[in-house]
Amino acid sequence: DAKTTQPPSMDCAEGRAANLPCNHSTISGNEYVYWYRQIHSQGPQYIIHGLKNNETNEMASLIITEDRKSSTLILPHATLRDTAVYYCIVRAYSGGYQKVTFGTGTKLQVIP
Amino acid sequence: KAGVTQTPRYLIKTRGQQVTLSCSPISGHRSVSWYQQTPGQGLQFLFEYFSETQRNKGNFPGRFSGRQFSNSRSEMNVSTLELGDSALYLCASSGRGGDEETQYFGPGTRLLVL
Repeated sequence: DAKTTQPPSMDCAEGRAANLPCNHSTISGNEYVYWYRQIHSQGPQYIIHGLKNNETNEMASLIITEDRKSSTLILPHATLRDTAVYYCIVRAYSGGYQKVTFGTGTKLQVIP
Repeated sequence: KAGVTQTPRYLIKTRGQQVTLSCSPISGHRSVSWYQQTPGQGLQFLFEYFSETQRNKGNFPGRFSGRQFSNSRSEMNVSTLELGDSALYLCASSGRGGDEETQYFGPGTRLLVL
């Protein structure tokens, strides 16, 4: 299974863009990159996912490098409510089974 | 559409007991996955059920088991509880469980083993 590594913590000023990196250098061709966040030990909340192309939705943008070995989650205008632990996840199917590997997570602190 | 629900939300047990946790997926979802979250190990995949069949299993001992019913509701059971089983147990559901299917998580069941 492809592993992911993330910085353990980051700070971001309120209103600024938060850029959260994730390394997944052993990712294979059929593995998707997913991002979730978890607030106060609630269930993780889905943010965005992608395979090769950059993706954008109402919450965030996902930038995947051309070699797919790393990605960056961008929260364009961070608010205090974005303070959470952000997980970069690699998921794939292999032989009919779903492989799931969670990263260590980045604790994002949005500062007023 | 209602989200993933888990019951109970909190549970206290003693060593040696067993426990059963329940998960109701989003209506129409057929895949249910279970995860254990602890401060030391983070989020770890337990197993996934699809159409009442266990389709994948993480690296956990046989004391951890699960099942899925015809309505896609799932239960997980932990027998002979150990102190180290204290954790937040999360379930997540998705439509077909494909690699592009998004998993939606429930609020979790927090288990404390004394």
